[in-house]
Amino acid sequence: DVKVTQSSRYLVKRTGEKVFLECVQDMDHENMFWYRQDPGLGLRLIYFSYDVKMKEKGDIPEGYSVSREKKERFSLILESASTNQTSMYLCASSFRDRGSYEQYFGPGTRLTVT
Amino acid sequence: QKEVEQNSGPLSVPEGAIASLNCTYSDRVSQSFFWYRQYSGKSPELIMSIYSNGDKEDGRFTAQLNKASQYVSLLIRDSQPSDSATYLCAGKYNNNDMRFGAGTRLTVKP
Repeated sequence: DVKVTQSSRYLVKRTGEKVFLECVQDMDHENMFWYRQDPGLGLRLIYFSYDVKMKEKGDIPEGYSVSREKKERFSLILESASTNQTSMYLCASSFRDRGSYEQYFGPGTRLTVT
Repeated sequence: QKEVEQNSGPLSVPEGAIASLNCTYSDRVSQSFFWYRQYSGKSPELIMSIYSNGDKEDGRFTAQLNKASQYVSLLIRDSQPSDSATYLCAGKYNNNDMRFGAGTRLTVKP
C-alpha cells in the first residue's frame, strides 16, 4: 500500500511567520509534488521535484520554496506567511519514467494564516 | 485557456442512473489521463487511468478518451449515494507532472 504522510492535518499560523510543511512517502517514488486546493480553483501545482535536490516551479510558486534532501521527503516552506496562503495543501508522489504516472496523495494540511 | 477544463457542476443524478462527467484538454497536455475521486474533507484517490483512444471499463466506471476532440469523460453506471464526491480530471503535462481540472461535484440522490 502506497503511503504518503504529511506532518500536520491542521495548522494555524500568524502573518509573517515561517511555515514548514513536510511530506514523506514510503514507495521509493522519484517524483514528489506540492499542490494547494481552493474552492472553485481545483488543484494548483506549486512545486515539484523529480529527484533529490532537484526542483521545478509549478503554476503558482510565488511565496513558496521547497527542499528535497532525501528521496522520501519533500518540504514546502512559506518564507513569510500571508493570509492569501490560507488553503488546503496536498502532497503527492509518483514514479518517474516507468510508464506509470499515477500520483498518490497524502491526507492534506489545512493551513490557516491569521 | 486552462490545460484541463471541467464543467464544475454541481451534477445531481438519482440513484441507479448514469452519471456523466466531462473534461477537455489543451494541446499542452499529453495523452495520459486520470480520474480522481475526492470525498469531502479527504484527499483525491485514483479511480481510473486511460492512455489510449476509446473506452476503458472497470466495474461500474467507464473512462472514454477522444484524442481528435481532446475530450475525456467518465461514466458511472448504476450510481449510488456513496458515489457522491468531487471528481477531478487530470492529464499528464510534461515528463513528470500533471495538470488537474477544477473538479465536478456529483450528488447521487437516494
